[in-house]
Amino acid sequence: KAGVTQTPRYLIKTRGQQVTLSCSPISGHRSVSWYQQTPGQGLQFLFEYFSETQRNKGNFPGRFSGRQFSNSRSEMNVSTLELGDSALYLCASTGGWSITGELFFGEGSRLTVL
Amino acid sequence: AQSVTQLGSHVSVSEGALVLLRCNYSSSVPPYLFWYVQYPNQGLQLLLKYTSAATLVKGINGFEAEFKKSETSFHLTKPSAHMSDAAEYFCAVRTNAGGTSYGKLTFGQGTILTVHP
Repeated sequence: KAGVTQTPRYLIKTRGQQVTLSCSPISGHRSVSWYQQTPGQGLQFLFEYFSETQRNKGNFPGRFSGRQFSNSRSEMNVSTLELGDSALYLCASTGGWSITGELFFGEGSRLTVL
Repeated sequence: AQSVTQLGSHVSVSEGALVLLRCNYSSSVPPYLFWYVQYPNQGLQLLLKYTSAATLVKGINGFEAEFKKSETSFHLTKPSAHMSDAAEYFCAVRTNAGGTSYGKLTFGQGTILTVHP
C-alpha cells in the first residue's frame, strides 16, 4: 500500500513569489491535513480537507490556502511568499471518520524563501 | 483548548540505558494521545497511540507509554536504547472538542533523543 506522497520534496523561491505544493493521500483516505514545521514554532496545523471541503483551519494568514480534489489529492498554495514561510510543509492523511485514527505523514516539502 | 508539554527539548542516553521522554497534556475532555518519531529529512511515523482501551500502550520498536489521568501524563519509555533510536520525538493530542476535524493534532515542541555508544 503506497504511503502519502508529497511533491516537490525541495524548492527554493524568492520573496513575493507564490508556491503550490501537492499531496497524494493513502488510497481510501478522505481526510488530508497540512502542517507547517519550523525550528521556532514546531508543528502547526494549517488546515484539513475532507471530501473536498475544508473542515478546519489553523491560525494562518489568508496567503495560505488549499483545496482537495475528488480523488482526495490535495494542494496547498502560499501567495506573496515571506522569508518566514521557509519551513517543512507536511501533509497527513487519515480515513477521516474515527477520532482514534492515526495520521499518516508524507516526507514533506521543504520550502526555502530567499 | 488542549495543549501538550514535552519536558526537555534534548535527552541524551547511553546505548542500552532506559529511555524516558516526558509528555504532559492539558484537556478538559478525554484526550486521545499519540507519540510520533521523526528521523532527519523524513516525515512523522506513529510509535503508539492511546485510545482509552488500555492505559499501558505498547508500540513499535520496543517503545511503550502509560496514560496517567491523575498526573495528566503520557510518558514514553524504552527499556534499552539503541543507536537507531536517535531521532526527534513528538507527543500529540486530539480531543472530540474539535468536532469531526480528525485531521488536527496538537503537538508538543518535540524532544531530540541522542544515543551515545
